[in-house]
Amino acid sequence: GENVEQHPSTLSVQEGDSAVIKCTYSDSASNYFPWYKQELGKRPQLIIDIRSNVGEKKDQRIAVTLNKTAKHFSLHITETQPEDSAVYFCAASMRGNEKLTFGTGTRLTIIP
Amino acid sequence: DVKVTQSSRYLVKRTGEKVFLECVQDMDHENMFWYRQDPGLGLRLIYFSYDVKMKEKGDIPEGYSVSREKKERFSLILESASTNQTSMYLCASQQGGSYNEQFFGPGTRLTVL
Repeated sequence: GENVEQHPSTLSVQEGDSAVIKCTYSDSASNYFPWYKQELGKRPQLIIDIRSNVGEKKDQRIAVTLNKTAKHFSLHITETQPEDSAVYFCAASMRGNEKLTFGTGTRLTIIP
Repeated sequence: DVKVTQSSRYLVKRTGEKVFLECVQDMDHENMFWYRQDPGLGLRLIYFSYDVKMKEKGDIPEGYSVSREKKERFSLILESASTNQTSMYLCASQQGGSYNEQFFGPGTRLTVL
């Protein structure tokens, strides 16, 4: 089955700096890559996603890039703010979004 | 606004007990999922369901079973709880079809003593 690796497991950045979280996947048939954010004590929520026919997608301060050849995708957060502090999970799936395989998560801490 | 609820936020059970965790969604979603979340291991899929009375094993189904008698309700059953099933359990629902968001419930923190 699919295997998703996520790095780093923890990340601390100064407020206003950029943060990058990287994931790799094993199955070349995967074609959908969402990112979920889980704030402390809350439920995971989708923040951005990308499909395999697109190389990059942006939504305000967040962006996701996908390299199908290398089988890796990354989350980029620019101009980080305290509310960006959370655990971020990448995920991958085949045939759309029915069964997601999640990465192990990255705890992002924004230092004021 | 999608609402996914779980029967308990915190639950304490003893080894060997049968445990029921319930999840209800109010958006008529076809797909429902049960995950467990453990530090350093992320979200791991236990079981999922595409329709009423339908179920499929996820990545870690051992020691669990599920029931979906009604579209809005998906139950996770621990037949004989063990200490290694102490975890946070998250339910999610999703509209059928491709590329749709999964909406999560608030989670149930289960402790097995």
